[in-house]
Amino acid sequence: SYVLTQPPSVSVAPGQTAKITCGGNNIGRKSVHWYQQRPGQAPVVVIYYDSDRPSGIPERFSGSNSGNTATLTISRVEDGDEADYYCQVWDSTSDHFSWVFGGGTKLTVL
Amino acid sequence: EVQLVQSGAEVKKPGESLRISCKASGYTFISYWIGWVRQMPGKGLEWMGVIYPGDSDTRYSPSFQGQVTISADRSINTTYLQWSSLKASDTAMYYCARSLVRGVVITRWFDPWGQGTLVTVSS
Repeated sequence: SYVLTQPPSVSVAPGQTAKITCGGNNIGRKSVHWYQQRPGQAPVVVIYYDSDRPSGIPERFSGSNSGNTATLTISRVEDGDEADYYCQVWDSTSDHFSWVFGGGTKLTVL
Repeated sequence: EVQLVQSGAEVKKPGESLRISCKASGYTFISYWIGWVRQMPGKGLEWMGVIYPGDSDTRYSPSFQGQVTISADRSINTTYLQWSSLKASDTAMYYCARSLVRGVVITRWFDPWGQGTLVTVSS
């Protein structure tokens, strides 16, 4: 089965840029989606299809995907961005498909 | 507005059965896969399985195959996740979520998510 690897934690000062990576074998050939989960809340998609933002998500959130690494970039980080972030791909074979999540990255705003 | 509203928190004993629900509104229920995701205390997200309410096609993660049953009732736009015999290790938050699809090379993701149902299994 397909495996996604994320760093457990990333720390950044307010106003700086945070980059959260998601590694996978030839992940650039798949589409990657990113979820934000604030403490005590359900996950919310912040980036889908590698780099598209749902309505209501600030332009500070962006995504890229190439080779073996996808990246979620959060510019001008705010206190409210402190959350867990998960990447996800859809993995399919001829007779099976699955939604695969990375292990999650805790973003701490210093 | 698309919404998924889940049933309330449950406290059960090991060996008991349980069914939790997820009621959809604001879209055509039978046209989208709905998935279930487990989050154990302090841990990450794990995909459990999905159902397509249009024809009840159901797929499970190998990790959860045989451990849970996913079903749907089209007449009331509701999806269910059930256990026949709970274990302490089933203690977790459970989320339902609608799956969207895009692309010539198909990809799928979850949006929106329900608010979650906390299941606690303890003797």
